Amino acid sequence: EDKVVQSPLSLVVHEGDTVTLNCSYEVTNFRSLLWYKQEKKAPTFLFMLTSSGIEKKSGRLSSILDKKELFSILNITATQTGDSAIYLCAAPSGGYQKVTFGTGTKLQVIP
Amino acid sequence: DGGITQSPKYLFRKEGQNVTLSCEQNLNHDAMYWYRQDPGQGLRLIYYSQIVNDFQKGDIAEGYSVSREKKESFPLTVTSAQKNPTAFYLCASKASGGPDTQYFGPGTRLTVL
Repeated sequence: EDKVVQSPLSLVVHEGDTVTLNCSYEVTNFRSLLWYKQEKKAPTFLFMLTSSGIEKKSGRLSSILDKKELFSILNITATQTGDSAIYLCAAPSGGYQKVTFGTGTKLQVIP
Repeated sequence: DGGITQSPKYLFRKEGQNVTLSCEQNLNHDAMYWYRQDPGQGLRLIYYSQIVNDFQKGDIAEGYSVSREKKESFPLTVTSAQKNPTAFYLCASKASGGPDTQYFGPGTRLTVL
C-alpha cells in the first residue's frame, strides 16, 4: 500500500523563525514528489521534485528530495504570518494516475 | 478561463439521504480525483479516474460512488452508507502525459444534520 507520512503534524513558530517540514514516502514505482500549500480551500502547488539532491527554491521556500532515504524536506526561512497554512506533500504512483497525500503539517506563524 | 469548478460550495444533508457533489473541468485533463479532508488534516483519496468510463477506488471509497461519462465531469455521490460524511470535499484534475501537478477546485463543505 502506498504511504506518505508528514511530520510534525502541527507547528507554532514566531515570525522570523526558520522551519523544516518533513515528508517520507513509500510508493510503487516512485517518479515525483510534490508540495502544496493550503490556506483556506484549494491547495496551491509549490514544488515538484524528481531528482535527488537538487534543491528547488522559490523566494523564502526551498525543498529537496532524497531518493535513497525516501524523504523530502520543505524549508521556510524568515517566516511571516502569511506562511500560516497546511503544507501537504503528495506522491503519484508511477505508471498510474493514483496520487497519495500525506497527513499534512499545520504551520502557525505568530507575530 | 481554464479551471476546475465544484458546486455547491456548502451543502447540508439530513441523515439517510444521498447527495451528489459536482466537479467540472475545462482543462482537457484525462485524470480526475476526489479527496476528503477532515479538520486540520491531509487529503484522503476517495476515487480517481484515468479516463472516461473508467474509475478506481481510492483508500476510503466505502459509502461513496462516482461516474465518469464525460471527460469534463466527475460527480461524487455520498450515499447513506457513509457513516461519517461531514467533511470538506476536494476535486482535482491532472494531465495524463504531462507533469504530476494536480489542479484543485475550491471544494464543497458537506454537513450532515
